[in-house]
Amino acid sequence: AQKVTQAQTEISVVEKEDVTLDCVYETRDTTYYLFWYKQPPSGELVFLIRRNSFDEQNEISGRYSWNFQKSTSSFNFTITASQVVDSAVYFCALSEADRGSTLGRLYFGRGTQLTVWP
Amino acid sequence: DTAVSQTPKYLVTQMGNDKSIKCEQNLGHDTMYWYKQDSKKFLKIMFSYNNKELIINETVPNRFSPKSPDKAHLNLHINSLELGDSAVYFCASSQRLAGFYNEQFFGPGTRLTVL
Repeated sequence: AQKVTQAQTEISVVEKEDVTLDCVYETRDTTYYLFWYKQPPSGELVFLIRRNSFDEQNEISGRYSWNFQKSTSSFNFTITASQVVDSAVYFCALSEADRGSTLGRLYFGRGTQLTVWP
Repeated sequence: DTAVSQTPKYLVTQMGNDKSIKCEQNLGHDTMYWYKQDSKKFLKIMFSYNNKELIINETVPNRFSPKSPDKAHLNLHINSLELGDSAVYFCASSQRLAGFYNEQFFGPGTRLTVL
């Protein structure tokens, strides 16, 4: 079973629209980290945010905001007033506690391709 | 200053050849990784080294051999390249802290094309 599910494979919006990218995760650990990465057309993977499982406060950074809900095992990402430069593949990832079977690996979702049209 | 660098950025080669990809990080991290990203963008971990010790070795053909000469370097050697090896290979690094590994920082990727 996949540990991180990004059900939206592709989303298209027009500039200035708000868009939310969904991420649902699965873990039995009580302590874990969640991440979002951005992969623009140029191909590099850019770290956006890390969230500790004990911190359910929503986070806002400019036009980006993240909503972490442990009750629904979701860590959704919203871009407000989207811009063409936001066009990219966005990955959600999970990291569990450091033990023999996991050792710091990131479990990535399959990514959501966001296209923002002018 | 580049944090995680990889060389080469592009690699085009014939089936059956042997090739290497090099990775270096200047972040002072103690853990480094190799990922493979297929044509559908799926990111799959291949190997991980912590302080030069191999700690993750996924189900990868033994034609792939990582080598970590020191904490700042992790190279990937591939023998007898096959068409299915064509992909983008990413190197990453992170710092282990109190039972967790912090966020991973990725290199720019190496696009390998096997003809």
